[in-house]
Amino acid sequence: AQSVTQLDSQVPVFEEAPVELRCNYSSSVSVYLFWYVQYPNQGLQLLLKYLSGSTLVKGINGFEAEFNKSQTSFHLRKPSVHISDTAEYFCAVALGYNQGGKLIFGQGTELSVKP
Amino acid sequence: EPEVTQTPSHQVTQMGQEVILRCVPISNHLYFYWYRQILGQKVEFLVSFYNNEISEKSEIFDDQFSVERPDGSNFTLKIRSTKLEDSAMYFCASRGGQGKTEAFFGQGTRLTVV
Repeated sequence: AQSVTQLDSQVPVFEEAPVELRCNYSSSVSVYLFWYVQYPNQGLQLLLKYLSGSTLVKGINGFEAEFNKSQTSFHLRKPSVHISDTAEYFCAVALGYNQGGKLIFGQGTELSVKP
Repeated sequence: EPEVTQTPSHQVTQMGQEVILRCVPISNHLYFYWYRQILGQKVEFLVSFYNNEISEKSEIFDDQFSVERPDGSNFTLKIRSTKLEDSAMYFCASRGGQGKTEAFFGQGTRLTVV
């Protein structure tokens, strides 16, 4: 069965500092990988996705993630964070979309950016 | 920009009552989903719906739950007899056809069972 582990439940960081949010997944088959962001009192918004091809994926708001198959990881990074990046971040995996495409989410990482 | 719309944003109901959560997916999308997020926990898959039938459901989605797409635009989740543990944020999502990989989420409905 597929599962997703986000290793940090909370990540406090100062504004303009770099940040990495960690995500590991387990799956016996190829998966698609996603990062979603949830701002307070809002729904889930897609940040970026990995389907195939280049292992470094760039997303919105300056975020990027690197797919590492040998380590089964898909860590999210940003070189310089802003106060407005304060939100909950969810890593998710999906089976091939021929199988319906449900998402399996990690527990979430609360990113708190301080001035 | 097209978006998934959910109503109401917040619903309070008494234990044992039936609730219907409503969603308007993005027009021309073909796959529809319900997820829930209990406070402080991860987002969990409930059910997926395609071609007017359930394509997959989780263990959470027991006989108390049902989904319907009554008129080609709305997508509803009904909980027949609510329990306290049904209190959660419920998210609707939709996705385009084959090859479309992004699921678009609504803002959620916060259900509080008292």
